[in-house]
Amino acid sequence: DAKTTQPNSMESNEEEPVHLPCNHSTISGTDYIHWYRQLPSQGPEYVIHGLTSNVNNRMASLAIAEDRKSSTLILHRATLRDAAVYYCILKGGGADGLTFGKGTHLIIQP
Amino acid sequence: EAQVTQNPRYLITVTGKKLTVTCSQNMNHEYMSWYRQDPGLGLRQIYYSMNVEVTDKGDVPEGYKVSRKEKRNFPLILESPSPNQTSLYFCASSPLLNTEAFFGQGTRLTVV
Repeated sequence: DAKTTQPNSMESNEEEPVHLPCNHSTISGTDYIHWYRQLPSQGPEYVIHGLTSNVNNRMASLAIAEDRKSSTLILHRATLRDAAVYYCILKGGGADGLTFGKGTHLIIQP
Repeated sequence: EAQVTQNPRYLITVTGKKLTVTCSQNMNHEYMSWYRQDPGLGLRQIYYSMNVEVTDKGDVPEGYKVSRKEKRNFPLILESPSPNQTSLYFCASSPLLNTEAFFGQGTRLTVV
């Protein structure tokens, strides 16, 4: 699976939108872009995933660049509960699992 | 409630004493896998299973065994644990390969 690059950490204020970037310049045509987050002392939690088009769900939005070499996870209104490590993962069609990098540590200030 | 359940949550054991960490899912998912998480190394896949009686090695399978006799259960077996297997372990399941994966709460294993 191709690699992703994320900032080590980001800080935002409660009730403001958060844009978490991810670069994946070597993405292949069949790679899906997945986002997971891990809250302290918990297992990873699925956030969203997409292939080419932007995606929305109850947790977040995923904006995918037209050339697919980058994407942005958008939390529309951050709460303290959103403080976590966010992982951007590329997943091809193979049976192997998710390759987690170091992710972005998101800090939410009250 | 849809969930992946791991047991035990915490375990301290001695080198060489066989142990099993159980994992069960109630969502009828085909795909299940085990990961370990270590500081500075992130989560790495140990083994995965595409369905009953179908298992395969992940990135770090040495020292581990798995079995998939029933769809809902995917136990992780350490035949002879060693201190380098001290880690946080997560089980996960998903219905298909490129869909949402559900993770368990984790098992913190210490081998002394």
